[in-house]
Order: sequence, then C-alpha cells, then structure tokens
Amino acid sequence: GENVEQHPSTLSVQEGDSAVIKCTYSDSASNYFPWYKQELGKRPQLIIDIRSNVGEKKDQRIAVTLNKTAKHFSLHITETQPEDSAVYFCAASTKSGGSNYKLTFGKGTLLTVNP
Amino acid sequence: DGGITQSPKYLFRKEGQNVTLSCEQNLNHDAMYWYRQDPGQGLRLIYYSQIVNDFQKGDIAEGYSVSREKKESFPLTVTSAQKNPTAFYLCASTVGATQYFGPGTRLLVL
Repeated sequence: GENVEQHPSTLSVQEGDSAVIKCTYSDSASNYFPWYKQELGKRPQLIIDIRSNVGEKKDQRIAVTLNKTAKHFSLHITETQPEDSAVYFCAASTKSGGSNYKLTFGKGTLLTVNP
Repeated sequence: DGGITQSPKYLFRKEGQNVTLSCEQNLNHDAMYWYRQDPGQGLRLIYYSQIVNDFQKGDIAEGYSVSREKKESFPLTVTSAQKNPTAFYLCASTVGATQYFGPGTRLLVL
C-alpha cells in the first residue's frame, strides 16, 4: 500500500519568515495530494491540494509543488503569521473504487510561528 | 465541514465495555471514513464505506466494527477487543477526492 513520509516533525520560525514542509510517497499510482491544517483539539481543514497533472499551485501565501518523478511534494508558506501555528498533514490519494479515493496521511508537522 | 456531525464530543469507556461513536452527514456524500488520531501518529484509517450496506477494513480495523445502513450515517463501535482505545476519532465524508472532517470524538478509558 501507499506510504507517506513527512518532514520535519516540528518546525519553528519567526513571524514573517517562510516555512517549508516536505513529503514523499511510495505509490506511483497516487494522483491527488491534499494538505490539511489542524489546530489544537479541532478537525483537520483542507488548505490546498494538487493533482498529479499539475506541478505547482498557489493560493495567496500558500503554495504546493509536486515532483512526480521523485515522488515528493512540498508545502510552502510565505510571510508566516502567528495564526499559521498548527499541525500540518500531507496526504496522498489513490482511487478506492468508483469515483472515491483513499487517503494515506503523513505523521504531521507541528509549525510554531514566534511573534 | 458544518455538514458532518459527530457525537458525543467526549466518551468514557470502562474495561470490557463496547461503545459506539456517531457520525452523521447531510452533504449527500457517498463515501465515509473513520480515522484514529494518536499524538505523533497522524491519521490512521480504521474503516471506510463507499456505498450503503458496504464497507472495507482500513489499516487498523482490529477491535472496531461499523455499519452503513443509511447514506447519512456511519457509526463506529469500539469493542472490548480494542485494548488501547484512548484516542481522538475523526469521521470524514467525501465525494471525489476531497475529504471533509467532522469535529471528532475524544475517547478515554476509565
């Protein structure tokens, strides 16, 4: 089955700096890669996603890049703010039948943005 | 996210007891999922269902059971066979690739 590795497990940055979180996956059939943000005690929330036919996607201060050949994808957050502090999860997805997908998650990165 | 509800928010289980976690969605999504979250472990898939009256085991199904009698509902039972049930349980639903999560149930053992 799919295996997703995520690094680093913790990341501390100063407000205004950039943060980068990297993930690798094992199954070349994976074709959808979402990123979730989870604040303490809350549900994970989708912040950005990318499909395998796209190399990069941006949404304001957040961007995701995908290298299918190397089987890795990364989350980039620019101009970090204290409210960006949370746990971030990457995931890789393959079709589980019909039009539905099965996600495999990385173990998460605790991002702390220091004022 | 607001279309997926989980109850209760906190649940306490005694030794040898079966407990059931509720998950309901009004998004008309076909597929529903149960995940277990432990500190430092990410989200691990317990069971998933793509259609009513059908479900499949995920990566850590031992000690858990589910049913899918209605499209809107996917309850999870934590049985006495699950020896380490303390965790945060998340339900999700999806149509296509994007998964939306419920608010979670925190299960604690007395």
